[in-house]
Amino acid sequence: EDQVTQSPEALRLQEGESSSLNCSYTVSGLRGLFWYRQDPGKGPEFLFTLYSAGEEKEKERLKATLTKKESFLHITAPKPEDSATYLCARMDSNYQLIWGAGTKLIIKP
Amino acid sequence: NAGVTQTPKFQVLKTGQSMTLQCAQDMNHEYMSWYRQDPGMGLRLIHYSVGAGITDQGEVPNGYNVSRSTTEDFPLRLLSAAPSQTSVYFCASSYSGLAGGGTGELFFGEGSRLTVL
Repeated sequence: EDQVTQSPEALRLQEGESSSLNCSYTVSGLRGLFWYRQDPGKGPEFLFTLYSAGEEKEKERLKATLTKKESFLHITAPKPEDSATYLCARMDSNYQLIWGAGTKLIIKP
Repeated sequence: NAGVTQTPKFQVLKTGQSMTLQCAQDMNHEYMSWYRQDPGMGLRLIHYSVGAGITDQGEVPNGYNVSRSTTEDFPLRLLSAAPSQTSVYFCASSYSGLAGGGTGELFFGEGSRLTVL
């Protein structure tokens, strides 16, 4: 069964404490891996698309990386405004997205 | 910049009632889709459309109908509401869908929270 698994479910960090979120998937032949940010009561907001193992994308304090079996979202020196739920998704054979359940990130000042 | 607009934001229904969730986008996007989001689960695709007059089923289509008569609008109809349809519903659009390559960025509305009693 195609699955996208995100870990941890929740992560509490102090401001400035760097860490990583994980997104793993069971399918071979990845077509694309997507990261989104979702604030409470809002729709998801696009962050990154990765297509090939070894690819990296950066935006402010966030960097997404991709291997053949998983992706990481690295957060460097986070600030309280980085608190959100981070969602990853992979593209299936019908060019639709299979989503993980998300990681809720809380950054304490 | 309106982007993707969903109405209503909140709705309470009784079991067996029908209703339509509205979605409109002003970005001239060909691709539109409906997702539901439930606690502890990933977003699940209900229906999608790659252009006016073209719709297809996603992962969880049962109990829902869609149509796409214009590029701008993609309403989701609940035929006979059930408590299992209590959820937050999101409409999303993109210029060409994921098959078009590029970033494949989806633009989401702010959601419609539906409770079925």
